[in-house]
Amino acid sequence: GAGVSQTPSNKVTEKGKYVELRCDPISGHTALYWYRQSLGQGPEFLIYFQGTGAADDSGLPNDRFFAVRPEGSVSTLKIQRTERGDSAVYLCASSLARAGELFFGEGSRLTVL
Amino acid sequence: AQSVTQLDSHVSVSEGTPVLLRCNYSSSYSPSLFWYVQHPNKGLQLLLKYTSAATLVKGINGFEAEFKKSETSFHLTKPSAHMSDAAEYFCVVIASGGSYIPTFGRGTSLIVHP
Repeated sequence: GAGVSQTPSNKVTEKGKYVELRCDPISGHTALYWYRQSLGQGPEFLIYFQGTGAADDSGLPNDRFFAVRPEGSVSTLKIQRTERGDSAVYLCASSLARAGELFFGEGSRLTVL
Repeated sequence: AQSVTQLDSHVSVSEGTPVLLRCNYSSSYSPSLFWYVQHPNKGLQLLLKYTSAATLVKGINGFEAEFKKSETSFHLTKPSAHMSDAAEYFCVVIASGGSYIPTFGRGTSLIVHP
């Protein structure tokens, strides 16, 4: 497909477990963003990649959260020792360049029991 | 620093009447401004964008927004609401020259009554 793909679409896990969320951006898009959206809120910035490097990770809430983009395409958001407060929809977006139009995936809904 | 304030969490209109969704921004640099729409269980979709060209911007589905620097506003309008416009709308600012990270408002839920 031509759009941003996120997997899984839904993930239910237990408190304390490790979770990985995957994002496959639009081919050729060098900029990739992760956001978190809680119920009734706007998307909250987590991390921004330009190519393979994390250009800005100032939105990661703590050191349990980590993201990689080793080949400048697919990105994985990793959450260690999940907590109930991590429950949210995690959104991935890609863009041709920074400050350009964002193209979003449909999100990964994480529920921590 | 940059921020966005969407002044209404909910806006309720009747089908066929005008829509106004309000957005004010704060930016230390020249801003780029966007409106995105999110339908239930769908991904966010761009409605329109302002990037320092014409101050009145036309988007998809009959929506428009006007950039007013003196008022630091970027309100979204549509002359006549359709039932299919019912969705969550987000105003977004990017401070060109700053961090370039898109900052979202909290969203406005548009409710359209028949």
